[in-house]
Formats: sequence, structure tokens, C-alpha cells
Amino acid sequence: DTAVSQTPKYLVTQMGNDKSIKCEQNLGHDTMYWYKQDSKKFLKIMFSYNNKELIINETVPNRFSPKSPDKAHLNLHINSLELGDSAVYFCASSQGTGDSPLHFGNGTRLTVT
Amino acid sequence: GQSLEQPSEVTAVEGAIVQINCTYQTSGFYGLSWYQQHDGGAPTFLSYNALDGLEETGRFSSFLSRSDSYGYLLLQELQMKDSASYFCASRHAGNNRKLIWGLGTSLAVNP
Repeated sequence: DTAVSQTPKYLVTQMGNDKSIKCEQNLGHDTMYWYKQDSKKFLKIMFSYNNKELIINETVPNRFSPKSPDKAHLNLHINSLELGDSAVYFCASSQGTGDSPLHFGNGTRLTVT
Repeated sequence: GQSLEQPSEVTAVEGAIVQINCTYQTSGFYGLSWYQQHDGGAPTFLSYNALDGLEETGRFSSFLSRSDSYGYLLLQELQMKDSASYFCASRHAGNNRKLIWGLGTSLAVNP
């Protein structure tokens, strides 16, 4: 019954490695997002897809690459991980415009050592 | 540009009422949303105000005054479980699927 699920919940890896985070939503929403939340709790939008089309692409290093195989899935691949990538990454979904409530996944805590 | 300002921290006691303010500067305004996030948890949607006035949902209410570029979240009958971070957010003027977020207010409810 989980609405927005992302895996893994925890990810510990070394600098230079490549890793992926997966997200799936079963709410039938047309838009999915990746957010990064650092230790100061600021929620920073990274990417958004609407019906598999990239509609938001913030100033994010090109080591980060999102992929949306269908409107229920949005994955995030990160190449050459750096210490500064350590954060919690949230997937979210919504239906319609930004006025519509965002439904967040439980987050992936990424620690780069 | 657009920005939302809210206090970084608020402290209150159980049973009290607390108001968390959100002031916005924006070239176009499209309503104000509020989210709650417990430590270690995900943000969860609380309320949305499209028009001026008060929206009430149980112990929580949200208010908006577009003429004053100001809104607030009112929490009544505070409980320990209300200790969390609270974020205000508003739709971006140039991209209707993008939210601009405040930096969050950390609410500590003490016994």
C-alpha cells in the first residue's frame, strides 16, 4: 500500500563509486521529483519528470542523471560520488501543478566516505 | 526572484498555541502550502491556501493574506508529537510544477 517507495533506505559508499536510487509511485500521479536535503534541512529540487518528460533540471552536476522509464518510476544515477553528495535524497510525486500536494518517499540517506 | 522566509526555531509547551509565520517575496503568487517533517522522516503535506483567509484542519490551521505577502501555520493544543520541522512552500512563477521552499522552522514542544 506504500504510495511512494524508494530504495535503498540507506546507502554507504566510497568516493568515486557509482550508485543508483530507485523510486516508484502507485498513486497514478503524472509528475515525479527528486529532492536533495542536506544537513541543514534545506529541500532542494533537483529534477522533475512529467509523463516521462524532463520538466525541471536545476543546477545539478552532470554526474547526476535521472531516468524515467514510465510515469510511475523515476530513478537517479550518480557517477563518481563525492563527499558533498552525502545527504538525504527524497523522491516525490504529485498530480497537476505545484499547488497539488507532494507525496514524498521515505528518503535515501546517502553517506559518501 | 522568489523567496520564502520563516523563523528557524520556535519553542513551546504542551497544550499551548504556536504560530509559525511565512513571509514571501515573489513576482507572482500562486498560493501557500505547508509541510511537516519529523526527524528522520519524510515531509508530509499539511495544508494549502489559494485564497486569503483561514483554513482549518483539526488542531492545525493555516492563514493567508496575499495583500500582506504573509501566511502562517497555527498549531493548537500542542502535543509532544508536534515537535518537527515545518516548511512553507509556494509555486514558482515561471514553472507551475516547481515549488519554492522556505528553509523550515524547527518546532520543539516541551512538557
